[in-house]
Amino acid sequence: EDQVTQSPEALRLQEGESSSLNCSYTVSGLRGLFWYRQDPGKGPEFLFTLYSAGEEKEKERLKATLTKKESFLHITAPKPEDSATYLCAVQAWGSGGGADGLTFGKGTHLIIQP
Amino acid sequence: DTEVTQTPKHLVMGMTNKKSLKCEQHMGHRAMYWYKQKAKKPPELMFVYSYEKLSINESVPSRFSPECPNSSLLNLHLHALQPEDSALYLCASSQEPGAEKLFFGSGTQLSVL
Repeated sequence: EDQVTQSPEALRLQEGESSSLNCSYTVSGLRGLFWYRQDPGKGPEFLFTLYSAGEEKEKERLKATLTKKESFLHITAPKPEDSATYLCAVQAWGSGGGADGLTFGKGTHLIIQP
Repeated sequence: DTEVTQTPKHLVMGMTNKKSLKCEQHMGHRAMYWYKQKAKKPPELMFVYSYEKLSINESVPSRFSPECPNSSLLNLHLHALQPEDSALYLCASSQEPGAEKLFFGSGTQLSVL
């Protein structure tokens, strides 16, 4: 069974204080690992897809990296508007493809204080 | 237009009521999904419609009934719900059933009294 564990559950940072969120996964054969951002009362917003170990992707103050066992979402010099819940999800080969193969973690609730 | 539009945004219903949630996308996506999300929990897949075929998560009770009138619209009919069904109901779409990138709507916050 595919499993996704995110840590920490919650993180409070000062504005400008860089940090990293962790996503550990166990999957039979990784097709892709995804990061989403979710604001309160809203649907998740797609951020990144990573497909193979060593891959990195960046968007503004966010950088996602992938190893064979985990992914990190690095946040550099965050601003209050980066406050959100960050969800990690994995998709395995042979799971049927599409969203029916996505397994989400519980997310990291990030708060950036001015 | 890169939006998935859900209505209503909020819904309060009694256990004997019948209501429907609506979802619409005009991106030409061929797959649409319903997810349920409880507070501080990850989204859980309920139904997938792709190329007019329905796939069901067998753990979803029959009081939830999806309907896909056309490729742009997806409804979720609710009947005889229980208080534990209170949650955020999210609709999503993707270009193809095998595509990993999902576009989510803002959701309907449902409260069952």
